[in-house]
Amino acid sequence: QKEVEQNSGPLSVPEGAIASLNCTYSDRGSQSFFWYRQYSGKSPELIMSIYSNGDQEDGRFTAQLNKASQYVSLLIRDSQPSDSATYLCAKGGATNKLIFGTGTLLAVQP
Amino acid sequence: DTGVSQDPRHKITKRGQNVTFRCDPISEHNRLYWYRQTLGQGPEFLTYFQNEAQLEKSRLLSDRFSAERPKGSFSTLEIQRTEQGDSAMYLCASSPWRFKAHYGYTFGSGTRLTVV
Repeated sequence: QKEVEQNSGPLSVPEGAIASLNCTYSDRGSQSFFWYRQYSGKSPELIMSIYSNGDQEDGRFTAQLNKASQYVSLLIRDSQPSDSATYLCAKGGATNKLIFGTGTLLAVQP
Repeated sequence: DTGVSQDPRHKITKRGQNVTFRCDPISEHNRLYWYRQTLGQGPEFLTYFQNEAQLEKSRLLSDRFSAERPKGSFSTLEIQRTEQGDSAMYLCASSPWRFKAHYGYTFGSGTRLTVV
């Protein structure tokens, strides 16, 4: 079992819709979770972080964490074509070393 | 601060040659990380430093790979006797670190290595 699992996609949503990206992890000791956006040929860019159960909102982005279910999600409201990218989920432990999933490709259709 | 800098951006080398990459982290960040990413995969952890100390090296990393951060500032990653399987994007990232705190990383633009 991989430490961080994501559906590779592509996830296709129409412009203006809510995109929902999901991630599961295997280590109950994981303490921090991050979502990165990566455009093709570019390096990952941090967009959200979450450390405790519940929701964390920043603009159009909401991260959700459920430690009991070992599940992290990212919601993107009012999706734009510029949101089309690969979204990487990562988990961190006590040492702050991050383990990444394989990423989900999001395609927002105009 | 201009962020995390990596040099070179691209490197094409012949199989069997040695290559060295450089990373300059954000100046106030005491943690520096190296990752490798291949097409369709997420970044794979290679090694990380806290100041000049190398704290962990991936078990998947062969002895042909070595990294240094001699003065706790910039870091170099050297690959000896390159193989075609080493072709990948090599990403450097930095972060602050304090005990029991959690920080996301800031990545550099990466060095794309092609071994021919």
